[in-house]
Amino acid sequence: LAKTTQPISMDSYEGQEVNITCSHNNIATNDYITWYQQFPSQGPRFIIQGYKTKVTNEVASLFIPADRKSSTLSLPRVSLSDTAVYYCLVGERIGNNDMRFGAGTRLTVKP
Amino acid sequence: GAVVSQHPSWVICKSGTSVKIECRSLDFQATTMFWYRQFPKQSLMLMATSNEGSKATYEQGVEKDKFLINHASLTLSTLTVTSAHPEDSSFYICSVAGALDNEQFFGPGTRLTVL
Repeated sequence: LAKTTQPISMDSYEGQEVNITCSHNNIATNDYITWYQQFPSQGPRFIIQGYKTKVTNEVASLFIPADRKSSTLSLPRVSLSDTAVYYCLVGERIGNNDMRFGAGTRLTVKP
Repeated sequence: GAVVSQHPSWVICKSGTSVKIECRSLDFQATTMFWYRQFPKQSLMLMATSNEGSKATYEQGVEKDKFLINHASLTLSTLTVTSAHPEDSSFYICSVAGALDNEQFFGPGTRLTVL
């Protein structure tokens, strides 16, 4: 049973804000939410991680509602170089049948 | 975060041969490393957890005798694909576990093509 559900793909235009939502209805108390970005033929790159409420760094913001059953990755003013696959992972630790990569969201930014 | 390298970045081999892929943690002592496989247009699949000085833990459905993992030092883990076949052609990615249980840093990946 997949722990996370994301839209398969999204399109946007340069300069727009993009919000990608991940559903994780069965999130456990000790689970964290982590987002990665992957370009073709490269390893994933860490974007942001959070447990509750809102987290912001120089790249993105992560919004987590009180029930933690979903989360939204927000990318401000995207550019063409943000075209990539974005993965949401939920879990307490890597391995042990936990923190698996779902299908991800393929974001295409158009000029 | 940790800087992770993989070698080679790509390899082409004949069916039936064995291929070794190296994963190095350049600036972090990696007690635990992970090996993933990714087929085209698909997500990453965890293959095994590699622990320094002990046997790797393989995920269900991954043949331990086919995918040999050695983690002899805190900076190096190797994945050997034995008797490779065309269906083993894939993108192999390693990651290094960070200080937290849910933290990992990925290598650039190795593209394996078996003819």
